[in-house]
Amino acid sequence: DTGVSQNPRHKITKRGQNVTFRCDPISEHNRLYWYRQTLGQGPEFLTYFQNEAQLEKSRLLSDRFSAERPKGSFSTLEIQRTEQGDSAMYLCASSLTQGTYGYTFGSGTRLTVV
Amino acid sequence: SQQGEEDPQALSIQEGENATMNCSYKTSINNLQWYRQNSGRGLVHLILIRSNEREKHSGRLRVTLDTSKKSSSLLITASRAADTASYFCATGGTGGGNKLTFGTGTQLKVEL
Repeated sequence: DTGVSQNPRHKITKRGQNVTFRCDPISEHNRLYWYRQTLGQGPEFLTYFQNEAQLEKSRLLSDRFSAERPKGSFSTLEIQRTEQGDSAMYLCASSLTQGTYGYTFGSGTRLTVV
Repeated sequence: SQQGEEDPQALSIQEGENATMNCSYKTSINNLQWYRQNSGRGLVHLILIRSNEREKHSGRLRVTLDTSKKSSSLLITASRAADTASYFCATGGTGGGNKLTFGTGTQLKVEL
């Protein structure tokens, strides 16, 4: 297992198009998190899963955003009708369930909406 | 929303010097963590300190936590050029799921 994998690394899309990102967590990690980071800021929480259950969603996650984690393995984050304000780095992280552990982050997907 | 604020926002030091970054937060926490981020990359977990701990060491890193002041500090001793990165503190709340709330970060530059 080589860590958390995110695809694609970069995505350029036209305003109004839909985009989907994929995250493959560390296999034994039951928790999976999505964050968004804009230039010069810290990551902002979007949503998290424990196994296949989506347990919390930030109010940042508008109706245009949806995330899934079928079968509790990989996860996808879809943005519909993209806007220029969606341009950011989208980060995925995973962690163990029991106790308190640090996150393992992927390298992120950089989205540019033109 | 950002929970923590790091201070300073930017820090430039010479190789071999120590670097100290501070983090303040607003609400009760279960734990506080520090992460490093190299330009354009994902974050790397450095160290975790629980709310009932006051100090923790890992290699050249020393973290302190003062829950009464809602603040933490990260000390990097004998800095190296490879330590150049952004450093973020992140707080884990008392609710479930260990959701982390990140601060705004300190940009550290270590010059040769």
